[in-house]
Amino acid sequence: ETGVTQTPRHLVMGMTNKKSLKCEQHLGHNAMYWYKQSAKKPLELMFVYNFKEQTENNSVPSRFSPECPNSSHLFLHLHTLQPEDSALYLCASSPNHRGTYEQYFGPGTRLTVT
Amino acid sequence: GQNIDQPTEMTATEGAIVQINCTYQTSGFNGLFWYQQHAGEAPTFLSYNVLDGLEEKGRFSSFLSRSKGYSYLLLKELQMKDSASYLCAVREDNAGNMLTFGGGTRLMVKP
Repeated sequence: ETGVTQTPRHLVMGMTNKKSLKCEQHLGHNAMYWYKQSAKKPLELMFVYNFKEQTENNSVPSRFSPECPNSSHLFLHLHTLQPEDSALYLCASSPNHRGTYEQYFGPGTRLTVT
Repeated sequence: GQNIDQPTEMTATEGAIVQINCTYQTSGFNGLFWYQQHAGEAPTFLSYNVLDGLEEKGRFSSFLSRSKGYSYLLLKELQMKDSASYLCAVREDNAGNMLTFGGGTRLMVKP
């Protein structure tokens, strides 16, 4: 596979469930990002990882827990979510988290919280 | 903090030219990106401006005026496949490669 992949593409979960989103990049990049895209709202940056280290947490509630075991993989663990957390969750990567680099996005996971 | 504004929706005709504007207010500026996002798909990179002026890439051009906090994306010879959302994103000074996005402009191209 090439580029940035995300699984699952669609997820429906109840408020008491625990689930995880997975992102994998095949570009040899060192920085990875989680974004949330809600209807009629701008893309919101959630977390940034560079060389497996978290460099940014954009005031995200603790019910979202990221994990970056290596530079190619990024997870977003979800627990006790709220209906307003329903959104498209996009993963992106770039060569580094500094410098002028375009970000490459995955196709996203469409999450519905019931 | 940052404030990024762009029109919510625009409509244009196939073969025509359309200009999508983006204005921003930021405490520091270190580059502006334009991304294209088709419905249900990932955003894809279109252009990057950090200096004033026009950057041309095929049918797409992007302009930046730092003094005015203003950019536009110009699409020429519109095709039906250009129907998509166009996202303006700004990178602040000392913010690494973190981007703040505008709400996006949904462009509909009609025959």
